[in-house]
Amino acid sequence: DTAVSQTPKYLVTQMGNDKSIKCEQNLGHDTMYWYKQDSKKFLKIMFSYNNKELIINETVPNRFSPKSPDKAHLNLHINSLELGDSAVYFCASSQRTVLDTQYFGPGTRLTVL
Amino acid sequence: GQQVMQIPQYQHVQEGEDFTTYCNSSTTLSNIQWYKQRPGGHPVFLIQLVKSGEVKKQKRLTFQFGEAKKNSSLHITATQTTDVGTYFCAGRGSGYSTLTFGKGTMLLVSP
Repeated sequence: DTAVSQTPKYLVTQMGNDKSIKCEQNLGHDTMYWYKQDSKKFLKIMFSYNNKELIINETVPNRFSPKSPDKAHLNLHINSLELGDSAVYFCASSQRTVLDTQYFGPGTRLTVL
Repeated sequence: GQQVMQIPQYQHVQEGEDFTTYCNSSTTLSNIQWYKQRPGGHPVFLIQLVKSGEVKKQKRLTFQFGEAKKNSSLHITATQTTDVGTYFCAGRGSGYSTLTFGKGTMLLVSP
């Protein structure tokens, strides 16, 4: 009965590879987000989707491509992984907008070797 | 762009001491939220403040929103070891569509 779930929890891969992280929420929320938390714990928003439509796309390399097949899912695909992509990636959801409480997933720790 | 500064970056207290973290924004905020992240965990929502000068309490935690809606604080009275974690503030500035997180204050409590 996890509210926001992410897979995988850990991801270790070589530079240059392509990988995906999946996120699902069962809260019936309209808006989903991807955040990146670096080694200094800084949380930065990457993308936001509302009802499957992209509404926020912060300055993120175009190697990162979010996909929302339906409003309960928001996946993140990363091409040509680089060392600097190593971080914890959190998926989150909120009922409607950023004014609402954000519920975070457990995170995916990505390590690029 | 919108900036949210949080201080201190780190604080180590003895159990029973009080703790305060401060959050300052470069712009007027529509709202401010506070989150707690335990070591190895994910951010968990604590509270949201919306009104100028608002004060809210949750047991030993007191949250304040400044009169000008550009700053906020979280005060913990008589810390316990269960309070260990990183506390983040996050605010949305007028005219901005995203929440900007502060860099967090890591609290360590020694028994």
